[in-house]
Amino acid sequence: QKEVEQNSGPLSVPEGAIASLNCTYSDRVSQSFFWYRQYSGKSPELIMSIYSNGDKEDGRFTAQLNKASQYVSLLIRDSQPSDSATYLCAVSRGGSARQLTFGSGTQLTVLP
Amino acid sequence: DAGITQSPRHKVTETGTPVTLRCHQTENHRYMYWYRQDPGHGLRLIHYSYGVKDTDKGEVSDGYSVSRSKTEDFLLTLESATSSQTSVYFCAISDGGRSYEQYFGPGTRLTVT
Repeated sequence: QKEVEQNSGPLSVPEGAIASLNCTYSDRVSQSFFWYRQYSGKSPELIMSIYSNGDKEDGRFTAQLNKASQYVSLLIRDSQPSDSATYLCAVSRGGSARQLTFGSGTQLTVLP
Repeated sequence: DAGITQSPRHKVTETGTPVTLRCHQTENHRYMYWYRQDPGHGLRLIHYSYGVKDTDKGEVSDGYSVSRSKTEDFLLTLESATSSQTSVYFCAISDGGRSYEQYFGPGTRLTVT
């Protein structure tokens, strides 16, 4: 079992729809959770971080965390073609090393 | 890219040659990381540093070494490049505060022929 698993994708949604990206993790002691967006040929860009159970909203993005189910998701409301990218889920178990473990990513395409 | 530069941005080298990639930051962040990204594998940690001269291995460290003699510079060396090390290499930094957020540099595309 991979430590961090994401929807295999690719995922296509029409412009204006809600895109839902999911991520599960295997290490129960994980403490910090992140979503990165990566455009083709570019570096990952941090878009959301979440540390506590529940929802965290930032503009059109909402991150949801459920530690009991070991599940974190990212919702993108009013999806735009510019949201087309690969979204990476990353998890940290804390500790002095501060290492992140990344999922393989979900490719999202927003259709005009 | 959060004050992070990587050099070179592209490199083609031959099998068996040594290669050094440089990561430079202007943020004075304590933590620095080297990742490689390959199709189907996502981002994998090679080595990281938690201070000057303090480094440790990551998930895929075989064939790589690192050095950090100054806060702002983190070097990744492939002692004898192999074709399996063809990849995109990303450097990341973190301030070591309460959050564990990491910010990435622009990447180096390395091809070993």
